[in-house]
Amino acid sequence: GAVVSQHPSRVICKSGTSVKIECRSLDFQATTMFWYRQFPKQSLMLMATSNEGSKATYEQGVEKDKFLINHASLTLSTLTVTSAHPEDSSFYICSARQGNSNQPQHFGDGTRLSIL
Amino acid sequence: SQQGEEDPQALSIQEGENATMNCSYKTSINNLQWYRQNSGRGLVHLILIRSNEREKHSGRLRVTLDTSKKSSSLLITASRAADTASYFCATSGNTPLVFGKGTRLSVIA
Repeated sequence: GAVVSQHPSRVICKSGTSVKIECRSLDFQATTMFWYRQFPKQSLMLMATSNEGSKATYEQGVEKDKFLINHASLTLSTLTVTSAHPEDSSFYICSARQGNSNQPQHFGDGTRLSIL
Repeated sequence: SQQGEEDPQALSIQEGENATMNCSYKTSINNLQWYRQNSGRGLVHLILIRSNEREKHSGRLRVTLDTSKKSSSLLITASRAADTASYFCATSGNTPLVFGKGTRLSVIA
């Protein structure tokens, strides 16, 4: 149980392209979803938190117009990297949680984004 | 910040040995969670220990929590090559999980 599916697993595209990443909770309702970014051999940095039907809450330093998050249903959240540039290349990971902070977060397998 | 910090940063052991990783944090928490990450993959939830718990077991995993010292430890007994991964602690209060930098565990067959 508690499976989170993230697609695509890898994206390679040209600078200026917008890229959409999907995160789905397959067997539970995700009241809250989270988007993280991870650089090589580094920790996960929280980018934003989204609750179903509400606007995402972005962490300090994360541009909301650059990283568009939509959490339209209890099983789906999307992250769109708009007009991506090489510095946006990174490993993006979503996670989903059912209930409050005393419940575990379940993670997708991540998306490796490479901007040429 | 509630960020957990793992220690050591890297650990290399022989198969069959026990591996102990430590985590320290700074503020009060509701719970502390341990995750494993294989290279290039997402995180797998291992154990959640609540602030009013002192020890928890799951298979070969044993987690302790000392809220007075703001520290936790993860013990993996009888390690296997498949345990090779990065291990992260994450603390949870009224904010989303905040992760430390992780311990890279290498188990040599």
